[in-house]
Amino acid sequence: QQQVKQSPQSLIVQKGGISIINCAYENTAFDYFPWYQQFPGKGPALLIAIRPDVSEKKEGRFTISFNKSAKQFSLHIMDSQPGDSATYFCAASGDAGNMLTFGGGTRLMVKP
Amino acid sequence: GAVVSQHPSRVICKSGTSVKIECRSLDFQATTMFWYRQFPKQSLMLMATSNEGSKATYEQGVEKDKFLINHASLTLSTLTVTSAHPEDSSFYICSISGAGGPADTQYFGPGTRLTVL
Repeated sequence: QQQVKQSPQSLIVQKGGISIINCAYENTAFDYFPWYQQFPGKGPALLIAIRPDVSEKKEGRFTISFNKSAKQFSLHIMDSQPGDSATYFCAASGDAGNMLTFGGGTRLMVKP
Repeated sequence: GAVVSQHPSRVICKSGTSVKIECRSLDFQATTMFWYRQFPKQSLMLMATSNEGSKATYEQGVEKDKFLINHASLTLSTLTVTSAHPEDSSFYICSISGAGGPADTQYFGPGTRLTVL
């Protein structure tokens, strides 16, 4: 059973636009929510992460919004650039020994 | 974040042979290492969790006798795919935690592409 649902599966955004990727989780024991960026043929790289004690975290052009009551969190990429074209994974952990549960991934393409 | 290396980056082998993949934490002592498998256009699937000096914990459906994991030190873990078959062809990725940041932060290696002919 997939415990973290991610949408959309794919996303096309024009350069300069805002990319928004959403995730929803079921396990209320989760207390750490990272986002990873993965380029083809490479391992995932940690992008930004949030804990439930805050509703938003911003690092440069990347922002996580977190809604604890709805059990949802999202990644916003402002001023999207072609170099942001990659697959993005949300994840969650907290219930068992640092294990991460991943969403299904979103393939983002930013058109010039 | 922590720097994690994997070797080899890609390997092609014949069916029935065994392949060893190394995962190294270059700048932190990793108390826990994870091994994932990723098929094309899919998410990461956790195969096993290993803690230094103890036996690995395998996820349901992962054959521990086929995927041998050795976590001999705080900087090295190895995954051996024994008697590999074409269906084992995949992208294998390791990660570490306990690398100085939040305990649940995982840093990933660059991955190893395994192709079994």
